[in-house]
Parts: sequence; structure tokens; C-alpha cells
Amino acid sequence: AQKITQTQPGMFVQEKEAVTLDCTYDTSDQSYGLFWYKQPSSGEMIFLIYQGSYDEQNATEGRYSLNFQKARKSANLVISASQLGDSAMYFCAMRLLDDKIIFGKGTRLHILP
Amino acid sequence: EAGVAQSPRYKIIEKRQSVAFWCNPISGHATLYWYQQILGQGPKLLIQFQNNGVVDDSQLPKDRFSAERLKGVDSTLKIQPAKLEDSAVYLCASSHGTSGIYTGELFFGEGSRLTVL
Repeated sequence: AQKITQTQPGMFVQEKEAVTLDCTYDTSDQSYGLFWYKQPSSGEMIFLIYQGSYDEQNATEGRYSLNFQKARKSANLVISASQLGDSAMYFCAMRLLDDKIIFGKGTRLHILP
Repeated sequence: EAGVAQSPRYKIIEKRQSVAFWCNPISGHATLYWYQQILGQGPKLLIQFQNNGVVDDSQLPKDRFSAERLKGVDSTLKIQPAKLEDSAVYLCASSHGTSGIYTGELFFGEGSRLTVL
């Protein structure tokens, strides 16, 4: 079965601390891609970071990095030095063959001042 | 570059009525997706088009939902008749796909929020 699992429904983190959002996936495809999107309360979907299944290096984009462990089928998002504006829903997504893209249930992140 | 356009932004209807949502993707994007996002949940893929052909519609409730993408550009999603459980945000997204340098990243519209009473 092709599936994305996000096991943390909600998280509370102190401002300026680092935070890790968990994502595990299941697919039999050899080639796939993994995305993280942020959805603030305004509802827009904001692309954060991408990792291809054949990429050897973990992806980084500013304060965001993706901890990709292929053998464990995990693709955790790490946010360094969290900010109040990071409070939002975060979705892990997987691109499969034919460019089908499925999403996890999300993690609601609350940054505390 | 113009983003993904969706309309209407909000719609309130009674159950058993019909509704249609429109989406215009980013110019040049061959792949178009419709997702249903129920409050507090992740987006659920309803249908995926590649140009004007359907790639995946396995989770589209075909007894009440229909979608088309004539001429491979804009798309319409219709619900008839609507049920209470159809209350959700309907997100349209488009993508370059994965040819060449592209990763298949989705570009989303602002969504159409449907309330069924």
C-alpha cells in the first residue's frame, strides 16, 4: 500500500528551539519524491523542501532540512531556530509513478514565545 | 507568472443541490490535480489530469462527483447532488511534472471552501 504516516497530531515547541516533524512512508516504487508543505491558518499551501529517492545528500533550504533515511522509509523535517511564524500545519507528501502525489494527515505545530 | 486561479472562493449550498468549481492552472503546467481537504485533515487526491486525460480518479466518488479538463488547460469539478460530508476546501494544484529538472512540485490555488447545509 502507498501511504504517508505522520504520527504527531500536534506539537508545542519553545521559540528558538529546533523541532523535528516525523514522516514515514510506504511505497514499492523505486523512484519517488518526498515533499513538505506548510499550511498556515490562512489556508495557503507553501512548498518547503523536496527530496528525491535517489538523492544521496539530505535536502536543505534555509532553516529547513530533510532527514532522509531511505532504509527506514522516513523523511523527517527539521526546522532549526523556530520562529513564531512557524506555527502552522505541516504536511508530508510523496510523489509516486505517474506523478500521483499523496499527503499525510499533518502535524499542527505551535511555537511558544 | 500568474499562480493557480480558483473560483468561487466560498460557496454555501443546501444538501442535494449542485455546485461547480473552476480552476485555471499555471501556464505550461501539463498536470492538474483536485484535492479535497476536510477541516483538520490532509488533502485527499480526487483526480489527476495529464493534459486533458485522466491519470488517476480512484478516489473520486463518481456517483456524485465529476471533473473535466477540456483542451488541457482549465478544469471544472462538479458535485451533484451534494451531501453534508462534502463540506470541505477543494484545492486545485498544477505541476510541470517530473521531466527534465522538475521535481513535480505542486503549486496550489487558494482553494474553494464549500459548506453544505
